[in-house]
Amino acid sequence: KAGVTQTPRYLIKTRGQQVTLSCSPISGHRSVSWYQQTPGQGLQFLFEYFSETQRNKGNFPGRFSGRQFSNSRSEMNVSTLELGDSALYLCASSSAKGAYYEQYFGPGTRLTVT
Amino acid sequence: AQSVSQHNHHVILSEAASLELGCNYSYGGTVNLFWYVQYPGQHLQLLLKYFSGDPLVKGIKGFEAEFIKSKFSFNLRKPSVQWSDTAEYFCAVKIGGTSYGKLTFGQGTILTVHP
Repeated sequence: KAGVTQTPRYLIKTRGQQVTLSCSPISGHRSVSWYQQTPGQGLQFLFEYFSETQRNKGNFPGRFSGRQFSNSRSEMNVSTLELGDSALYLCASSSAKGAYYEQYFGPGTRLTVT
Repeated sequence: AQSVSQHNHHVILSEAASLELGCNYSYGGTVNLFWYVQYPGQHLQLLLKYFSGDPLVKGIKGFEAEFIKSKFSFNLRKPSVQWSDTAEYFCAVKIGGTSYGKLTFGQGTILTVHP
């Protein structure tokens, strides 16, 4: 089975711009979660989608948004980029069946804001 | 809200030494516990997990972890480390009994193993 894929892998943007990151989950997985990883704050949860609905949201400003499509692929968008948004953005997928919930992570998108 | 604390930021060992990485969480209810590893330049990989049952769980590459409910701990162990174990290790907790929910991660522990 192919793993979680994320595109693009690297991205450089300027302050004030917006960016869209994409994630394709493992085939058959219906849950997609997004995390931000930085040296200072570590891994922080952004949001989770299941069947095109956001089920959980972390403590991030409204500039961070996401969506999920009917094929379970997900996108996250960051508007009005700030220098502090520079981070590795990780996507994780899960089958989300029953109480045995495991998340499998993709390689991440490295976003640099200049 | 749950939180996770990893006591050691950086651990340096020689090959064949034993390893124990501490992890404590704060949440009074049922939890699912995980250890992930991130090798240099690679993505996060699941090492092992605990959902219920035997509190001693075994994972890949000879790692194991023990869940001690009374201490809110889930420490990772390996009897003899190898140079290839050099990586960053993350403990994570999720509220148990549900098919959804976020993972809350600890700050990570960098393990450096000298040959």
